[in-house]
Amino acid sequence: EIVLTQSPGTLSLSPGERATLSCRASQSVSSSHLAWYQQRPGQAPRLIIYGASSRATGIPDRFSGGGSGTDFTLTISRLEPEDFVVYYCQHDATFGQGTKVEI
Amino acid sequence: QVQLQGSGPGVVKPSETLSLTCTVTGYSISRGSYWAWIRQPPGKGLEWIATIEHSGRTYYTSSLKSRVTMSVDTSKNQFSLNLSSMTAADTAVYYCVRYSGYYIDYWGQGTLVTVSS
Repeated sequence: EIVLTQSPGTLSLSPGERATLSCRASQSVSSSHLAWYQQRPGQAPRLIIYGASSRATGIPDRFSGGGSGTDFTLTISRLEPEDFVVYYCQHDATFGQGTKVEI
Repeated sequence: QVQLQGSGPGVVKPSETLSLTCTVTGYSISRGSYWAWIRQPPGKGLEWIATIEHSGRTYYTSSLKSRVTMSVDTSKNQFSLNLSSMTAADTAVYYCVRYSGYYIDYWGQGTLVTVSS
């Protein structure tokens, strides 16, 4: 069973800064099955990146995804106030434990 | 527009069975795709519970397999989850979702289920 490990657990940054979130798989996975979600408090998660690097509909271009094999990243180029929430990576029926981006 | 609406009890007693139903609108389950249940304990991360195809074929997370049953009713455009022998550790928000086979593109609003006597 594949395990996804996200790091860091919490990322402390300021608006306008660049955020880099990591998702590491315990074994090599298909990039087409790697997705990222954003979850705001009290809301269901929403898809932001699929296929490791494709932005979902309506997602701003400050969000980008990359990586392959066992190492994947979500990058937010310039943090906006609404970006300070929690992010999860997912591969098939497995989620990472989440990264909280805080001010 | 695809929408998923989960329904079920907000409180379940310990040792009882949780039954949740998800009604899908804007898309016919019989057309295809996968349908799943995911849960999130308060303040914690996401856990995948089970997946079902429109054909009825199911996939259960190994840690919950002995307690989970998932089914689909294409005539009502609904799918359901039963989770038996509930304990406090099963207290969570339960989400029904549409899964493309690669990513989750639609989420229900979530149903908070509390296990309490």
